[in-house]
Parts: sequence; structure tokens; C-alpha cells
Amino acid sequence: GAVVSQHPSWVICKSGTSVKIECRSLDFQATTMFWYRQFPKQSLMLMATSNEGSKATYEQGVEKDKFLINHASLTLSTLTVTSAHPEDSSFYICSARGGQGGNTEAFFGQGTRLTVV
Amino acid sequence: LAKTTQPISMDSYEGQEVNITCSHNNIATNDYITWYQQFPSQGPRFIIQGYKTKVTNEVASLFIPADRKSSTLSLPRVSLSDTAVYYCLVGEIDTDKLIFGTGTRLQVFP
Repeated sequence: GAVVSQHPSWVICKSGTSVKIECRSLDFQATTMFWYRQFPKQSLMLMATSNEGSKATYEQGVEKDKFLINHASLTLSTLTVTSAHPEDSSFYICSARGGQGGNTEAFFGQGTRLTVV
Repeated sequence: LAKTTQPISMDSYEGQEVNITCSHNNIATNDYITWYQQFPSQGPRFIIQGYKTKVTNEVASLFIPADRKSSTLSLPRVSLSDTAVYYCLVGEIDTDKLIFGTGTRLQVFP
């Protein structure tokens, strides 16, 4: 299957700093990318949806100024957690979907464990 | 997007067949049904996808009745490595957002 690579796999940062997480589709063009966060023992919560070249669409309750999403190319999307605080510590996962119409599945990155200290 | 309902957890033993059912009463005409598997600290992994009747691949089978208001993921002869959370998603897979429900936590015992 297609490969979606997320980097870094884990990161520890100090409170108040910003962290950037990259999501790349390695062997297909991702027209749409999704960003999720997941707390322990909970399901994935969709944060935002981004289409290449367009502004991301954020889910209700997700602060767009805190979680900056850039989808500048068909193979790369980034999530920047600005002014991170301990409550932002979570598992962040990206997903990429490509193709046009039909039976198109989404592929997920391996996730990024963010710890804010 | 159709809401999905799954059992919170299931237990099984190695070698048994496991069937996980997902209810999606409000499924729309253009919606597909997709199942993902997630291990701890990893991103979800695609298992199988279907629209109606039965779909089978090397990993699982997906049974969808004629009214499409539910679906059943069947895992033949599970092993310990099948211990994971299984999510059922319903939607127009090339246009809809991917919304995850609670998932089913499958525990396989030796």
C-alpha cells in the first residue's frame, strides 16, 4: 500500500515553544490530508482537513491560530503547534488521501508523540 | 456522515474467528464502509473496504447485508498479534472527512 511518513516520531519541547510536525506522502499525490490528535485510550479526534493549495478547514473547538496547518504541495503537509503547553501533549497523526473519485482509501502516518514539559 | 456504533471491547482466543459488528443506520447511498486497525502508538492501518455484499482480502472479510445498515468485520483464526483497536468508518471515501468512532478493543488471549 501507499506510504505516509510522519516526522518526527516523537518530540519533547519546553512550554511556550513551537513544534512542527511533517507529513509526507511518499509514493502518491495527496489531494487531501487530515490531522488528528489522540489521547491515551481514546479514539482519534479530527482536528482539521487540508486540501493542497487551500486553507485548512478546522473542526469545531480546534484553535486555528494555535495549530497551524500548511499543505503547500501534493506530498507535504505540516502541523505547527504554536506556544505549546503541557495540555497539548498528545499523539498527533496525519492521514493522506489521493486520487480522484471512486474507491480511494486514506493512508496514515505512524504518528508523532508530543510531550510538552 | 453516518454515525457508527461498535462494541467497546471484545475478547477472543488464538485460533478463533472474530466477528466485529458495526451499526450505521443512517448510511447514505454513496457511502462506503472502511475498517482500520490500530496498534498502540501507531497510526491506523487500512484493513478492508466495501460497499455491499461481501468483500474478502488476505487479512479479513467484510459482510454487508442488503440494507447496509450494519457491517461485520470477520477475522479468521486470530493470533496474539491481532490484539488492537478496530475502527469502522462510513462515508464517501473520496470526499468525506474521516471521522473515527469509539472503535472496538480486541484482546486475543493465548
